[in-house]
Amino acid sequence: GQQLNQSPQSMFIQEGEDVSMNCTSSSIFNTWLWYKQDPGEGPVLLIALYKAGELTSNGRLTAQFGITRKDSFLNISASIPSDVGIYFCAGRDTGNQFYFGTGTSLTVIP
Amino acid sequence: DAGVIQSPRHEVTEMGQEVTLRCKPISGHNSLFWYRQTMMRGLELLIYFNNNVPIDDSGMPEDRFSAKMPNASFSTLKIQPSEPRDSAVYFCASSLYSGYGYTFGSGTRLTVV
Repeated sequence: GQQLNQSPQSMFIQEGEDVSMNCTSSSIFNTWLWYKQDPGEGPVLLIALYKAGELTSNGRLTAQFGITRKDSFLNISASIPSDVGIYFCAGRDTGNQFYFGTGTSLTVIP
Repeated sequence: DAGVIQSPRHEVTEMGQEVTLRCKPISGHNSLFWYRQTMMRGLELLIYFNNNVPIDDSGMPEDRFSAKMPNASFSTLKIQPSEPRDSAVYFCASSLYSGYGYTFGSGTRLTVV
């Protein structure tokens, strides 16, 4: 199946710092999604991107759909302790199938 | 809306027993997905349904796994017989249609001893 490379695998940052993570695929995607998963819960959709070059914000979160359609980026500004969790990217290919990245584990140190 | 509802939240069973996981999708959503999450393999799509019809079950590990969706508001994932390597968190998700973003349930943590 499709492989999504998500990086970094984990991050340890100080509260207040900005965070950047990205996801790349080997083929073109039509949709990129970013999810956050808290311990013991299911992933929750943060941002959805549907067009190449699209830049979308949700509060302190900003995500972009790469112009090559093979990558996406998620930025979190001024991190706070409740940002802790695992962030997943997901991409939809031309066959309408979604594939998930392996996740980025974020730890925010107060 | 109550979101995607899964039951039970936790299940501990002995090897060889039958396990049934249940899911109620969001009302009006036409697509339903079953995922399995482990540390080693991450999120794996097992099967998905469109309008109650199974579309792709290529992710189902083997014949011990089966899934049904008898109506638009209910789906089950059954493992018979269960094995220790089936231990994982199983998520159900639904969406308006298959190409749209999913809403996940809280998952069922299955432990097979």
